[in-house]
Amino acid sequence: DAMVIQNPRYQVTQFGKPVTLSCSQTLNHNVMYWYQQKSSQAPKLLFHYYDKDFNNEADTPDNFQSRRPNTSFCFLDIRSPGLGDAAMYLCATSRDGGSSTDTQYFGPGTRLTVL
Amino acid sequence: RKEVEQDPGPFNVPEGATVAFNCTYSNSASQSFFWYRQDCRKEPKLLMSVYSSGNEDGRFTAQLNRASQYISLLIRDSKLSDSATYLCGTSYGKLTFGQGTILTVHP
Repeated sequence: DAMVIQNPRYQVTQFGKPVTLSCSQTLNHNVMYWYQQKSSQAPKLLFHYYDKDFNNEADTPDNFQSRRPNTSFCFLDIRSPGLGDAAMYLCATSRDGGSSTDTQYFGPGTRLTVL
Repeated sequence: RKEVEQDPGPFNVPEGATVAFNCTYSNSASQSFFWYRQDCRKEPKLLMSVYSSGNEDGRFTAQLNRASQYISLLIRDSKLSDSATYLCGTSYGKLTFGQGTILTVHP
């Protein structure tokens, strides 16, 4: 059974039209992460939630926002997508985010196309 | 300098070959180390964690050298199904990935 679920798997939006990507988890993990991965590049961390505490990476554009209404769900909002935001968006979870043995589990990703 | 660096390859090897990947990291405070496998257009999946003592899982062996700040992955008896991108990751509070090494195993 899928443990980290992302919807939709493929999203097409227009330049400047807001879009929301969804992630849910059945692992009851404390930490949820959002990564952006462009072709032939490493996944890049955008932000993460430790429980309800939001942690933004310094170089994450303001265009990207996130919400975590409860333990199971986390959303990525892109307020005004540009062509450069076309990428795979990966959600991941981990149990506590701090121990040396903590492991991240990834969802299948949402591939975003911006027209 | 990137925080985690890998040779992007690609590595093209025949079935049955032994292949090794290296990864260097710059943050000496990194506490955890991982190898992930990522198939084309799929999510990264944990292949193995890397421990100071080195660890082995079947045909895969991972090593960590803290003094030189690199980790390695050795794949023995390569299979066609091993073709993928291999991402190394280091963690100090957050997980940072290298750009990945592409492996293609051919008949």
